[in-house]
Amino acid sequence: GQNIDQPTEMTATEGAIVQINCTYQTSGFNGLFWYQQHAGEAPTFLSYNVLDGLEEKGRFSSFLSRSKGYSYLLLKELQMKDSASYLCAALNSNYQLIWGAGTKLIIKP
Amino acid sequence: IAGITQAPTSQILAAGRRMTLRCTQDMRHNAMYWYRQDLGLGLRLIHYSNTAGTTGKGEVPDGYSVSRANTDDFPLTLASAVPSQTSVYFCASSLLAGEAGELFFGEGSRLTVL
Repeated sequence: GQNIDQPTEMTATEGAIVQINCTYQTSGFNGLFWYQQHAGEAPTFLSYNVLDGLEEKGRFSSFLSRSKGYSYLLLKELQMKDSASYLCAALNSNYQLIWGAGTKLIIKP
Repeated sequence: IAGITQAPTSQILAAGRRMTLRCTQDMRHNAMYWYRQDLGLGLRLIHYSNTAGTTGKGEVPDGYSVSRANTDDFPLTLASAVPSQTSVYFCASSLLAGEAGELFFGEGSRLTVL
């Protein structure tokens, strides 16, 4: 079957760094997306990786290892506004997105 | 402001009633989608449309229907609502067909079926 695994919840301190992991099993692979979703709001696009390696975008970075079926989202210099759910989604060979249930990130002062 | 507009934002309805969730985008995107989001589960695709005039079934299409008469509008209809359709529904669009590109989501429609 196809599935995405990511932790249900994580807690971190304001100003710190946090890494949210995601492992995937899909029928073929055409890329990995990360979305941010604040409570009661719509998901918004953060990143897309299709090649191995690290993509940096400001305070957020996303890493992909295709051979390991693994990705992570790295958030630096955490701010209170980063409290949200982070959704991992893998695109399979049929260009269908397989979504994880999301990781709820709680930032404490 | 460009983007996707969904209506209603929230609705409570009795089981057996018919309900249409509206979705309009002004980005001229080719593809549109309807997802449902339930606690503890990932987003699940209900129906999609890669271009005006065409629609397709997603992962959980039963009990739902869609139409795509033009580029901008993609309504979702529940012909006879059941309690298991209680969920938050998100409409989304993308420039690229399929789910290959960045998705732009509406603010969601919270539906409660009693």
